[in-house]
Amino acid sequence: GENVEQHPSTLSVQEGDSAVIKCTYSDSASNYFPWYKQELGKRPQLIIDIRSNVGEKKDQRIAVTLNKTAKHFSLHITETQPEDSAVYFCAASDSNYQLIWGAGTKLIIKP
Amino acid sequence: DTEVTQTPKHLVMGMTNKKSLKCEQHMGHRAMYWYKQKAKKPPELMFVYSYEKLSINESVPSRFSPECPNSSLLNLHLHALQPEDSALYLCASSQDGEGTEAFFGQGTRLTVV
Repeated sequence: GENVEQHPSTLSVQEGDSAVIKCTYSDSASNYFPWYKQELGKRPQLIIDIRSNVGEKKDQRIAVTLNKTAKHFSLHITETQPEDSAVYFCAASDSNYQLIWGAGTKLIIKP
Repeated sequence: DTEVTQTPKHLVMGMTNKKSLKCEQHMGHRAMYWYKQKAKKPPELMFVYSYEKLSINESVPSRFSPECPNSSLLNLHLHALQPEDSALYLCASSQDGEGTEAFFGQGTRLTVV
């Protein structure tokens, strides 16, 4: 079955710098890769997603890249702000279209 | 309306109690989900309803019983829970359950005493 690994588990960056979170997946049939942001005590919210027929997608300060050959995808946040502090989860769809989640990355933005 | 609404927000129950968690969405989504989330962990899939039929049950103990009365509502009936079942229970919905965005409710924080 599908397995998703996410690194790092904690990432601390200076405000204004960029942050990169990486995930690898095992099932080459996976075709949907969302990223969720979860602030403390709140619900997970989709921030960006990408499908396997696309290599990169960008939405303002957030971008996701996908390398199907290597089976990894990454989240890039530029010009980080204090409100970017949260836990970020990557996920990949399995053969039943259900999401297999990474373990999460706690992103800390230092002022 | 892009909201998934869950009630109650908080619930404390004894191990002999019976309670229910409720979830509602009016986005016309045909797939609805129950997840369990422990602190500092990702959401863990429990059940999936697709077009009002239970399509996935991830080996969840029978003390958790899902119900989908109609396409907008999803319930989770709880009975004889254990303290280790204390967690955040999240409901979610998606358009068709086939690789589309899942919208989450704010969750029910459950404590079993």
